[in-house]
Amino acid sequence: GNSVTQMEGPVTLSEEAFLTINCTYTATGYPSLFWYVQYPGEGLQLLLKATKADDKGSNKGFEATYRKETTSFHLEKGSVQVSDSAVYFCALSDNTDKLIFGTGTRLQVFP
Amino acid sequence: GAGVSQTPSNKVTEKGKYVELRCDPISGHTALYWYRQSLGQGPEFLIYFQGTGAADDSGLPNDRFFAVRPEGSVSTLKIQRTERGDSAVYLCASSPSLVLKDNEQFFGPGTRLTVL
Repeated sequence: GNSVTQMEGPVTLSEEAFLTINCTYTATGYPSLFWYVQYPGEGLQLLLKATKADDKGSNKGFEATYRKETTSFHLEKGSVQVSDSAVYFCALSDNTDKLIFGTGTRLQVFP
Repeated sequence: GAGVSQTPSNKVTEKGKYVELRCDPISGHTALYWYRQSLGQGPEFLIYFQGTGAADDSGLPNDRFFAVRPEGSVSTLKIQRTERGDSAVYLCASSPSLVLKDNEQFFGPGTRLTVL
């Protein structure tokens, strides 16, 4: 069945460091791919998405490119801030409307 | 504007009891989803509604779980004979359209259920 695998956390970085959180997927057909973020004490929020191969989603300085050849959708940011500390979830949506999530990666950014 | 709301925010119950969890979606959203998030895991799909009907309930773990959306707006997730393994955060999400697979789902803050 369809699934999402993302790197285990926590990822601990200093402010202004470069961030990569790896995400790979298994799916039949052509899923849409998402990154959701959960800030402390808040609900899940969509961070960015890509709906077809080679699309790049971007928001708030974060980017991810839909790579069909490597079945990946890695999240990157050039310079993280303390306020980026949160749990990040990679997810896919196939021909149904439900989302399939990875296990989440906790990011901790220190000043 | 108002987002998705869920009540209660926390629910503690005893093993074997019945619980109801409520979700108020964003006004006008036709699709509504329930997910369950166990500690340290990502959300897992339970059921989704198109209007009043359950379009896909394949994620419900067993027949103790049931959900309704009688008027196409508010939804209630019902769990009978609760077990300790049911302890989790139950998330509700809504979406403006049931057609497109890449529609954004807007999540509520969740209900944390603890079964003692």
